[in-house]
Amino acid sequence: GQNIDQPTEMTATEGAIVQINCTYQTSGFNGLFWYQQHAGEAPTFLSYNVLDGLEEKGRFSSFLSRSKGYSYLLLKELQMKDSASYLCAVLDSNYQLIWGAGTKLIIKP
Amino acid sequence: IAGITQAPTSQILAAGRRMTLRCTQDMRHNAMYWYRQDLGLGLRLIHYSNTAGTTGKGEVPDGYSVSRANTDDFPLTLASAVPSQTSVYFCASSVTSGDTDTQYFGPGTRLTVL
Repeated sequence: GQNIDQPTEMTATEGAIVQINCTYQTSGFNGLFWYQQHAGEAPTFLSYNVLDGLEEKGRFSSFLSRSKGYSYLLLKELQMKDSASYLCAVLDSNYQLIWGAGTKLIIKP
Repeated sequence: IAGITQAPTSQILAAGRRMTLRCTQDMRHNAMYWYRQDLGLGLRLIHYSNTAGTTGKGEVPDGYSVSRANTDDFPLTLASAVPSQTSVYFCASSVTSGDTDTQYFGPGTRLTVL
């Protein structure tokens, strides 16, 4: 079967750095997405990786290792507004998105 | 309007009733999707449409139907609602399907079936 694993919840301090991991087992791979979802709101796109390595976008970076079936989202200089759930999703061989359950990130002052 | 809109925002429904959730996008995207999101589970695809006039079944299609008469609208119908269909429903769209295009989400409909 297809499986995406992420930690259920993480806590970090304002101004710090946090890494949210995602491991996947899917039938085929056509890329990995990270989305941010604030409570009660819609998911919004953060990043897309299809090649191995690190993609940096301001305070957010995303890393992919296809051989390990592993990705992480790195958030730097955490702000209170970063409190949200972070969803990992893999595009499988049929170009359908398989979603993880999400990681709820709690930022403390 | 800009983006994707969904209606209603929330609804409480008696079991056995018929309900249509509406979704409209103005981005001229070809592909549209319906997901449900339940606590502790990832988003699960209910139905999708690659282009106007075509639809397909996702991971959890039972109890739901869709139509795609034009590019902009993609309604989701529950023919006879059951309590297990209590969920938050998100509509999404992307420029194309079968590709790596980003999906854009509507604000969601919170549905409670009693």
